[in-house]
Amino acid sequence: IAGITQAPTSQILAAGRRMTLRCTQDMRHNAMYWYRQDLGLGLRLIHYSNTAGTTGKGEVPDGYSVSRANTDDFPLTLASAVPSQTSVYFCASSRAGATDTQYFGPGTRLTVL
Amino acid sequence: AQSVAQPEDQVNVAEGNPLTVKCTYSVSGNPYLFWYVQYPNRGLQFLLKYITGDNLVKGSYGFEAEFNKSQTSFHLKKPSALVSDSALYFCGVYGTGRRALTFGSGTRLQVQP
Repeated sequence: IAGITQAPTSQILAAGRRMTLRCTQDMRHNAMYWYRQDLGLGLRLIHYSNTAGTTGKGEVPDGYSVSRANTDDFPLTLASAVPSQTSVYFCASSRAGATDTQYFGPGTRLTVL
Repeated sequence: AQSVAQPEDQVNVAEGNPLTVKCTYSVSGNPYLFWYVQYPNRGLQFLLKYITGDNLVKGSYGFEAEFNKSQTSFHLKKPSALVSDSALYFCGVYGTGRRALTFGSGTRLQVQP
């Protein structure tokens, strides 16, 4: 059982380029989340999805979009990357919702130049 | 709004000594409280959670946390620290009507041999 996988592991991106971070889980969890981790700020929620077909905005959604076409996949897209989006991005999932234990992927380190 | 404070950026403790990592919170309604640990270059891993019941919660790797409603605290503790406990620890809170967990900024635990 892989749990949650994220791709790529790391990426250097020119400002203005479009980028999609991939996240796949094999636990059949209903809820999925995207966080960014920045030094001194901890983890901040970008977007979430409580079930396939629905998404919602988190604390820092600007410049990001998500989709949830099926249970397993939850891609995060940066339409036009900016240097302030340089961060480590974590995808997570939980069985039913925010009160359940979340399982995290290994992260994607993104650098926008 | 819900919030979490981890007042210490770093905690240093000698191996074999007890450790405490502090967390205070602010939420509407009854809180769901979580502790996660992050090892270098890894995603977060669940340690323990409080939903209701006994104020002392026992979790993975010998960690425990005490819920104190009057002080709105949920400090993480371990009776005897190990060098392998050195990591970044995050406290999280979920309150009534909220969309997702709010995490603190994290506390780095350094256990010296």
